[in-house]
Amino acid sequence: GDSVTQTEGLVTLTKGLPVMLNCTYQTTYSPFLFWYVQHLNEAPKLLLKSSTDNKRTEHQGFYATLHKSSSSFHLQKSSVQLSDSALYFCALRDRGSALGRLHFGAGTQLIVIP
Amino acid sequence: EAAVTQSPRNKVTVTGGNVTLSCRQTNSHNYMYWYRQDTGHGLRLIHYSYGAGNLQIGDVPDGYKATRTTQEDFFLLLELASPSQTSLYFCASSGDNSNERLFFGHGTKLSVL
Repeated sequence: GDSVTQTEGLVTLTKGLPVMLNCTYQTTYSPFLFWYVQHLNEAPKLLLKSSTDNKRTEHQGFYATLHKSSSSFHLQKSSVQLSDSALYFCALRDRGSALGRLHFGAGTQLIVIP
Repeated sequence: EAAVTQSPRNKVTVTGGNVTLSCRQTNSHNYMYWYRQDTGHGLRLIHYSYGAGNLQIGDVPDGYKATRTTQEDFFLLLELASPSQTSLYFCASSGDNSNERLFFGHGTKLSVL
């Protein structure tokens, strides 16, 4: 079945450094991938999404490119800020079933230190 | 902005207790979902629904029932609560298309003593 893997549980970085959060997926159908961000004591909210192969999508300084050849949708930012500290989820929309469920990865906690 | 409202925001019950978590969306969405969030496990799908009266089993359904009474309202029922069900519960709604995002409620923190 469909699944999403995020390999890092915790990433700690100094402000101003670049970051890449890994996301790989498994599906037999054409994928639709999402990144959600959850700040402390808040609900998850959409950061960015894509279904177009090899096209970079950007939002709020973050960017990701869907690579169907490697089943990846890594999240990147060139210079992290303290406000980027949050929990980041990669998610895959199931196009195989009739009922469009979303499969979430386990999440990566990003901590940015001064 | 689409709205999903959960109640209560916090709930404490005892083992064996009966708990109902409520969710209402005013987005006119067909899909509604119940997730639980636990450290190290991310968001795990309990039950979901496509319209009033429809129910689908998610990935971690054991110990939970759900009812979708109207397009707007989706309830999660714990009839014999156990400490393992202590968690943060999120309700979400979405439209029908693959590219549509989930709109989440603010969550219900449930503690089972």
